Amino acid sequence: NAGVTQTPKFRILKIGQSMTLQCAQDMNHNYMYWYRQDPGMGLKLIYYSVGAGITDKGEVPNGYNVSRSTTEDFPLRLELAAPSQTSVYFCASSYGTSGWETQYFGPGTRLLVL
Amino acid sequence: TQLLEQSPQFLSIQEGENLTVYCNSSSVFSSLQWYRQEPGEGPVLLVTVVTGGEVKKLKRLTFQFGDARKDSSLHITAAQTGDTGLYLCAGEDYSAGGTSYGKLTFGQGTILTVHP
Repeated sequence: NAGVTQTPKFRILKIGQSMTLQCAQDMNHNYMYWYRQDPGMGLKLIYYSVGAGITDKGEVPNGYNVSRSTTEDFPLRLELAAPSQTSVYFCASSYGTSGWETQYFGPGTRLLVL
Repeated sequence: TQLLEQSPQFLSIQEGENLTVYCNSSSVFSSLQWYRQEPGEGPVLLVTVVTGGEVKKLKRLTFQFGDARKDSSLHITAAQTGDTGLYLCAGEDYSAGGTSYGKLTFGQGTILTVHP
């Protein structure tokens, strides 16, 4: 199993550009999550999904969009990038049978908006 | 949104010393997790505590969940250089009411550096 994979690993965007961060998992997990981690801070939840076709906002959803057309993939879309979106983005997944299950994290995507 | 505060934010110690990291909240959490994160990687789960007063041991690491389920601590005995990393606590987020769907609220983390 590859686990949770994320692409790209690093990206530089200009203000106003758009991009999609890719996330895929091969563990047949129902639940998937997107977090952002700013320097010296913990992780904040952007969006989450409890299954294909079902998504909902987390704590910091503004400026982002998600979709979940398959169990495996959960892409995060940034529209009109802003310097405040400079961060490290982590995707995670879990089985979804109980709230306190292990979340498996990907290696992250480092995004710099200039 | 429920808040988790970790202390200290930074910890620099010598190999062989003991240390404790604290995670506190004014909210009750049904479960609390501790993660370790190394530079350039995602967090990796160390332990989940779900019962008030629960104590779990993982080799030299001891985790405790407060009786009121509002706080937790991580104690490392005889720290080693391999323990260096960012330690994060995370609580299950029921801020929207009902099912948490596994949503987590994270503390800001404790950066631990163990010197040889």
